Amino acid sequence: EADIYQTPRYLVIGTGKKITLECSQTMGHDKMYWYQQDPGMELHLIHYSYGVNSTEKGDLSSESTVSRIRTEHFPLTLESARPSHTSQYLCASRRKGGGGSEAFFGQGTRLTVV
Amino acid sequence: GENVEQHPSTLSVQEGDSAVIKCTYSDSASNYFPWYKQELGKRPQLIIDIRSNVGEKKDQRIAVTLNKTAKHFSLHITETQPEDSAVYFCAAIAGAGGTSYGKLTFGQGTILTVHP
Repeated sequence: EADIYQTPRYLVIGTGKKITLECSQTMGHDKMYWYQQDPGMELHLIHYSYGVNSTEKGDLSSESTVSRIRTEHFPLTLESARPSHTSQYLCASRRKGGGGSEAFFGQGTRLTVV
Repeated sequence: GENVEQHPSTLSVQEGDSAVIKCTYSDSASNYFPWYKQELGKRPQLIIDIRSNVGEKKDQRIAVTLNKTAKHFSLHITETQPEDSAVYFCAAIAGAGGTSYGKLTFGQGTILTVHP
């Protein structure tokens, strides 16, 4: 079934560790996004990508990096986790097209940094 | 870059009443305005959207209006039901010609509570 998948769903990690959150979509979408969201709160854009080898910074990009080597895969890396990174991370994708298109979200990764 | 402001942050209504959520955007290059509903513990899902060449769109109890001149758009829910209780987000996507082409920016969210 075409969908967008995030792994892991839950992660508890120590301060200073390097972590990578995985996001893959099987819908053939070219645009992908990473958001940070505290429960019931605003979606803060971290990074986004137009397609392979294309990445752009969002509003919260300074402490993380992304790569887009394959269309379906858009991993997010935190080089050194801090307690302030504790949050839910949502990945989204949407197809290319003039006039806009629906964004589909993954189920999220809930990260806790201790 | 694009800035989307959403009001109110919380909205409480009685079942059967109408609910209105308003958003403003800053980037005149934005041309697509979706609305998402996020239930507790679930991922956001699209409920309705509107493109910049349309002023109003309706889907059963949900309608969206867009005023390009004033750069604001609104979500209207009529005959609210308890299952409408959720967090609602407006968003804007910059079209070609803007400095943030393809960027999907969300408003701050509105917690809607419908009391039976």
